[in-house]
Amino acid sequence: GAGVSQTPSNKVTEKGKYVELRCDPISGHTALYWYRQSLGQGPEFLIYFQGTGAADDSGLPNDRFFAVRPEGSVSTLKIQRTERGDSAVYLCASSPGDSSYNEQFFGPGTRLTVL
Amino acid sequence: GNSVTQMEGPVTLSEEAFLTINCTYTATGYPSLFWYVQYPGEGLQLLLKATKADDKGSNKGFEATYRKETTSFHLEKGSVQVSDSAVYFCALITGANSKLTFGKGITLSVRP
Repeated sequence: GAGVSQTPSNKVTEKGKYVELRCDPISGHTALYWYRQSLGQGPEFLIYFQGTGAADDSGLPNDRFFAVRPEGSVSTLKIQRTERGDSAVYLCASSPGDSSYNEQFFGPGTRLTVL
Repeated sequence: GNSVTQMEGPVTLSEEAFLTINCTYTATGYPSLFWYVQYPGEGLQLLLKATKADDKGSNKGFEATYRKETTSFHLEKGSVQVSDSAVYFCALITGANSKLTFGKGITLSVRP
């Protein structure tokens, strides 16, 4: 079946602009995660949804970052007033969410470049 | 908090060489341990995992053993292939449906 998909694959924007990044998880997966991967680093956790609600948003760096998952499937990561330091690859992952330590299935990522 | 430390890279090997990539961790609670791999142009994918002490995860000829006494999860392969060239990430999780904590990753290049 289809894996996790993310759109767009690349996004170039100017400093101060607003961007939205979309994630389509694997069908039926209740858990959804957002990570950010800067050049030469491992992915860093941003936020985790269980169903429609954000179960853990402790990784969001500041209040310019916000994510939603209104129907418990697709999620959108929103970044306001983008800064050059926001440039990174944004990864989405999903898992079945029904038992411990499930494998997280990753999407291909969205590469965000803030000029 | 949780953290994962991987050896510095990059690593360049000749085909059929033995591979060891070191990984150590600190964790609150009892973690499950993972190795993820990112092939060129592809997304992150799980390579292997171990959920309790002394467990050995294995896949595609790679192995890693969960060593609680040394808080380590080193990745090994007896004979690498050119197709193993990729970036390898060690990671841990300490709760059901919780966040993964990753190391920095290490780039492996295998020469024919």
